[in-house]
Amino acid sequence: RKEVEQDPGPFNVPEGATVAFNCTYSNSASQSFFWYRQDCRKEPKLLMSVYSSGNEDGRFTAQLNRASQYISLLIRDSKLSDSATYLCVVVAGTGNQFYFGTGTSLTVIP
Amino acid sequence: NAGVMQNPRHLVRRRGQEARLRCSPMKGHSHVYWYRQLPEEGLKFMVYLQKENIIDESGMPKERFSAEFPKEGPSILRIQQVVRGDSAAYFCASSPGYGPEQYFGPGTRLTVT
Repeated sequence: RKEVEQDPGPFNVPEGATVAFNCTYSNSASQSFFWYRQDCRKEPKLLMSVYSSGNEDGRFTAQLNRASQYISLLIRDSKLSDSATYLCVVVAGTGNQFYFGTGTSLTVIP
Repeated sequence: NAGVMQNPRHLVRRRGQEARLRCSPMKGHSHVYWYRQLPEEGLKFMVYLQKENIIDESGMPKERFSAEFPKEGPSILRIQQVVRGDSAAYFCASSPGYGPEQYFGPGTRLTVT
């Protein structure tokens, strides 16, 4: 079983739409959780941390459900510049290794 | 404050040659991680190093791959006798060690012909 599972998409949405991505993880001892964004042929960049209490940053909201081992990312009022692959990251192990999902592809259409 | 630096950005090697990938962490960061991203796949953890120590190499292939992070200079990921299946993007990340966030370099794209 994979450490982190994501729906690969692709998600094609019009500008202004609200879109939600989901992710599940298998290791109940996982310690930290993030969403990263990766543009085509570029490095992953930290988008936001994910907490059980929820975390909001502008148009982006991330949520963690430890009981269900489930992480979500909500993007409101989508912009063209939001087009990218969104990577769910779970941190586990003694060395804080990152376990990545395969990513969810988002294209925002004018 | 310069970010994580990797070089070369692109590397072409023939089968059987050696590939050396370099990573300089962000200033003040003493923890380095290497990840590999195969085409159409997610990033996979390879190795975690601190200065002069390999902390976790559980993601490294058992043969041909090695990594180091010397007291002075960049971290090096070395792949001996490369094969076509080694073609991938190799990303290095660094962290200061007091929090889980990692910051990624631009990657080295290795092509084995």
